[in-house]
Amino acid sequence: GAVVSQHPSRVICKSGTSVKIECRSLDFQATTMFWYRQFPKQSLMLMATSNEGSKATYEQGVEKDKFLINHASLTLSTLTVTSAHPEDSSFYICSPTGDTQYFGPGTRLTVL
Amino acid sequence: GENVEQHPSTLSVQEGDSAVIKCTYSDSASNYFPWYKQELGKGPQLIIDIRSNVGEKKDQRIAVTLNKTAKHFSLHITETQPEDSAVYFCAASPTSGTYKYIFGTGTRLKVLA
Repeated sequence: GAVVSQHPSRVICKSGTSVKIECRSLDFQATTMFWYRQFPKQSLMLMATSNEGSKATYEQGVEKDKFLINHASLTLSTLTVTSAHPEDSSFYICSPTGDTQYFGPGTRLTVL
Repeated sequence: GENVEQHPSTLSVQEGDSAVIKCTYSDSASNYFPWYKQELGKGPQLIIDIRSNVGEKKDQRIAVTLNKTAKHFSLHITETQPEDSAVYFCAASPTSGTYKYIFGTGTRLKVLA
């Protein structure tokens, strides 16, 4: 399978700060990037879909001004959680997709 | 829209026994059904998938069956091993040609040694 990296794997931050999560597809070009959020013992919930060079499309209930997504290249996408609050604590997973959908290893965000 | 239900939520089996996880979907237009294994603290890993023009697919100890009429599909793991312990998610792709999957709620499988 493809190699996908996410950085950081874990992050703890104070309430009100912003956190940037990077997702890289190391050996293939991702024309589409999906970002998911997963709360403990729950399923994956799609947050947004972005195509390289275009604005992201957000799912209902996901604030686009809070979760900033950049998909500037076919191998890199970032998710920035702005003004993070404890309720944003979750496991964030990117899913770079070309001909096949892959998933990153996830980033655990804890907001104090 | 598409809705995917998954059962059971937890499953414990003795090592060597079989495990079966079932999912149902609501959108008859869904045509692709992947299964993922997620270990603690990691992202999901695709373990097997099936398309709507196929009724069954096997890969060593893992098999998936699809009943389009009843709109349900199942994951079968035979000769289970402790390393099979993980959370398994089914998913359905509601629109042909896209990857916007709808995931099931997950099954936590525990294989007892």
